Amino acid sequence: AQKITQTQPGMFVQEKEAVTLDCTYDTSDQSYGLFWYKQPSSGEMIFLIYQGSYDEQNATEGRYSLNFQKARKSANLVISASQLGDSAMYFCAMRDRYQLIWGAGTKLIIKP
Amino acid sequence: NAGVTQTPKFRVLKTGQSMTLLCAQDMNHEYMYWYRQDPGMGLRLIHYSVGEGTTAKGEVPDGYNVSRLKKQNFLLGLESAAPSQTSVYFCASSYSVLALYEQYFGPGTRLTVT
Repeated sequence: AQKITQTQPGMFVQEKEAVTLDCTYDTSDQSYGLFWYKQPSSGEMIFLIYQGSYDEQNATEGRYSLNFQKARKSANLVISASQLGDSAMYFCAMRDRYQLIWGAGTKLIIKP
Repeated sequence: NAGVTQTPKFRVLKTGQSMTLLCAQDMNHEYMYWYRQDPGMGLRLIHYSVGEGTTAKGEVPDGYNVSRLKKQNFLLGLESAAPSQTSVYFCASSYSVLALYEQYFGPGTRLTVT
């Protein structure tokens, strides 16, 4: 069965520093997709970035990049130059046919 | 373009009561989903729909029913609410099930069953 593991329940980071949120996954499929979502305290789920298993380059979206290491089955989210507004829960997820399989999330707090 | 909307935003039920959560999307998406999110956990799929008139069970379907009579609407019903169903419920939709298409989420419904 597919599984997503996020080993960091919480992180504190100084404003303007870069931060890496860990995500490892387990699947026997050759074709799969990995997603990161942000959930601020207001509760909505905001799509951040996507990485396909056949994509040769790491995905980037503005200050977000995905450090994709296929052999290690890891898909870490990197946020450059963190801002106070980045404080939120961050979820890694993997497509499994119709559904997304979710990790437990990492609570990121940016300190001023 | 409202995206995905959910009604209501908050609800308190007593054990044994019933209710229906409404999800609506205006993006003409074929695929719609209901998830629940419990504290300290990621989302878990309750039911999903691959098109008008079709529904299927997800990971945690017990105690819930769904209907998709119109393409834009996906209803989640609780026939006899239990305290274990206290959770935040998210509806989502997507254009395709191909891996590269993300799911768009509604704002969530916070349900408390006492």
